[in-house]
Amino acid sequence: AQSVSQHNHHVILSEAASLELGCNYSYGGTVNLFWYVQYPGQHLQLLLKYFSGDPLVKGIKGFEAEFIKSKFSFNLRKPSVQWSDTAEYFCAVNSKDNFNKFYFGSGTKLNVKP
Amino acid sequence: DTGVSQDPRHKITKRGQNVTFRCDPISEHNRLYWYRQTLGQGPEFLTYFQNEAQLEKSRLLSDRFSAERPKGSFSTLEIQRTEQGDSAMYLCASSSTGTPYPNEQFFGPGTRLTVL
Repeated sequence: AQSVSQHNHHVILSEAASLELGCNYSYGGTVNLFWYVQYPGQHLQLLLKYFSGDPLVKGIKGFEAEFIKSKFSFNLRKPSVQWSDTAEYFCAVNSKDNFNKFYFGSGTKLNVKP
Repeated sequence: DTGVSQDPRHKITKRGQNVTFRCDPISEHNRLYWYRQTLGQGPEFLTYFQNEAQLEKSRLLSDRFSAERPKGSFSTLEIQRTEQGDSAMYLCASSSTGTPYPNEQFFGPGTRLTVL
């Protein structure tokens, strides 16, 4: 079975600091990769996704993620965080063989201090 | 833009009672998913429908759980004889086969169940 690991459970940063959240998955086949964000009191929203092509994916609000196939990783980055980025971030993966079944990581809570 | 909606948003029940949740997907979406999320964890897949057909069920979905999507539009998730371990957020998502990215899922706000 597939699994997704997010090693950073809670990250605290000051505004303007750079962000990198780790995501590793275990699956031997071809995968699609996603980052979802959940702002306080809101539902899960798609931040960015990777299906194929350029492994560096740009999403909304200045976020980007890089798919490194050899490392089974899909880390999320942002050069300069804002207080409004305070949220919980979830990495998710599905396989191209069964793309209806998403596997989520346990999430990383990001707290940005103003 | 009418996103995915879920009702109720919160449900408190006593152990042993039955509960039913409703999900209304985005209107043109033919795929509907149920997930369960417990504290400190990401969503866990429970089941999904394509139109009215339930195509996959997780082992997490015990016999006490049943989901339906009778007309291929809204869906219900029923939990019979609730247990305290059922306390969780139940999330619904939908997607469409008609978009360039058919497996992009859009999530609803969830129903938070508390079993006393």
